[in-house]
Amino acid sequence: NAGVMQNPRHLVRRRGQEARLRCSPMKGHSHVYWYRQLPEEGLKFMVYLQKENIIDESGMPKERFSAEFPKEGPSILRIQQVVRGDSAAYFCASSPDTVYGYTFGSGTRLTVV
Amino acid sequence: DQQVKQNSPSLSVQEGRISILNCDYTNSMFDYFLWYKKYPAEGPTFLISISSIKDKNEDGRFTVFLNKSAKHLSLHIVPSQPGDSAVYFCAAAPGSARQLTFGSGTQLTVLP
Repeated sequence: NAGVMQNPRHLVRRRGQEARLRCSPMKGHSHVYWYRQLPEEGLKFMVYLQKENIIDESGMPKERFSAEFPKEGPSILRIQQVVRGDSAAYFCASSPDTVYGYTFGSGTRLTVV
Repeated sequence: DQQVKQNSPSLSVQEGRISILNCDYTNSMFDYFLWYKKYPAEGPTFLISISSIKDKNEDGRFTVFLNKSAKHLSLHIVPSQPGDSAVYFCAAAPGSARQLTFGSGTQLTVLP
């Protein structure tokens, strides 16, 4: 039973490019969450999705960031026109219907040069 | 505005002794609390949780204590082992919401 799979593990983008981060939840998990960790800080909530629905995006920056969790395939976090301040570790987590202690993936480390 | 605070960035403990990690929160709506452990280059791993109707929860070597009046929780690890060396995050959530608010973490080092 594979855990939460995130890819790529490392991603380097030049300023102005787009970054696409993928997350496949654990089997049987229908809830997906994205968190961002800046250096020397804790994880900050970005967005909570269920299949084809964004449930809570209160932590998402208003511009350049978007997330989706289509009926088929992984959840995608998209960052358009990346800037240096977007450099961070992005973690995805998934859970079944009612459990708080959700399972995190290993993260994608985005570096913007 | 940090709603969940871990004021000790680091803690060193001798193997076999007790490790006590502390966490304070300010949001009275939080009623579910969790501890995660994180190794470098990995995602956080769930350790133990507690709801606000309890003041203590145990799981093996790990015990979490919750003091609602002081808005304080702590994680006790006893006995501490070198493999416990990691960053520990506390997190909190209000009952109706699913997003977690994390503290900034405490680096625990267990010395052999």
